[in-house]
Amino acid sequence: DAKTTQPPSMDCAEGRAANLPCNHSTISGNEYVYWYRQIHSQGPQYIIHGLKNNETNEMASLIITEDRKSSTLILPHATLRDTAVYYCIVRESNYQLIWGAGTKLIIKP
Amino acid sequence: SAVISQKPSRDICQRGTSLTIQCQVDSQVTMMFWYRQQPGQSLTLIATANQGSEATYESGFVIDKFPISRPNLTFSTLTVSNMSPEDSSIYLCSVRANRGTYEQYFGPGTRLTVT
Repeated sequence: DAKTTQPPSMDCAEGRAANLPCNHSTISGNEYVYWYRQIHSQGPQYIIHGLKNNETNEMASLIITEDRKSSTLILPHATLRDTAVYYCIVRESNYQLIWGAGTKLIIKP
Repeated sequence: SAVISQKPSRDICQRGTSLTIQCQVDSQVTMMFWYRQQPGQSLTLIATANQGSEATYESGFVIDKFPISRPNLTFSTLTVSNMSPEDSSIYLCSVRANRGTYEQYFGPGTRLTVT
């Protein structure tokens, strides 16, 4: 079973920041937080991952709480092309990804 | 990152036939994976395919139904055998980075419809 809890759906206005929450209260010390997204009819796309510290790349920022029991993926300036299902996954680095239902993010013009 | 291609991108097949899906990666990778995604569902791992060894199948998937080949470090095939309409899904090839935090990358998928 997936170790994360995400809201099933969210809306965000185009141009605004999209903040996607994820709860992982049972995360262990060796487990990373990974985020992927799947745009309709495409394969999943890796976005970002982190262990303890906040991370940023060209796609997004990942904010992990100090107790590591939750995190937030931030898309700073959402566009219509960011409409997708976003998956939050926790795992040790060499283990399998276990996929939950994800959050369906709809960006509205 | 790795660039992954799959062939065919989609197919419509008749019940009882078999389809072989090819996965090509632009770099050498140790671990490759095959997933199934049924309509409206999340991803389910079918098997892990390491070069030079037999594929390891997840619960509910068997080699006779989903034979896998992994002849080298950049290529793999998945065959869906004796197909039924319940096999209609998207089949995804995936690879894991060889080092670091082992990010995983996915192909575009093969959309299979069985009639």
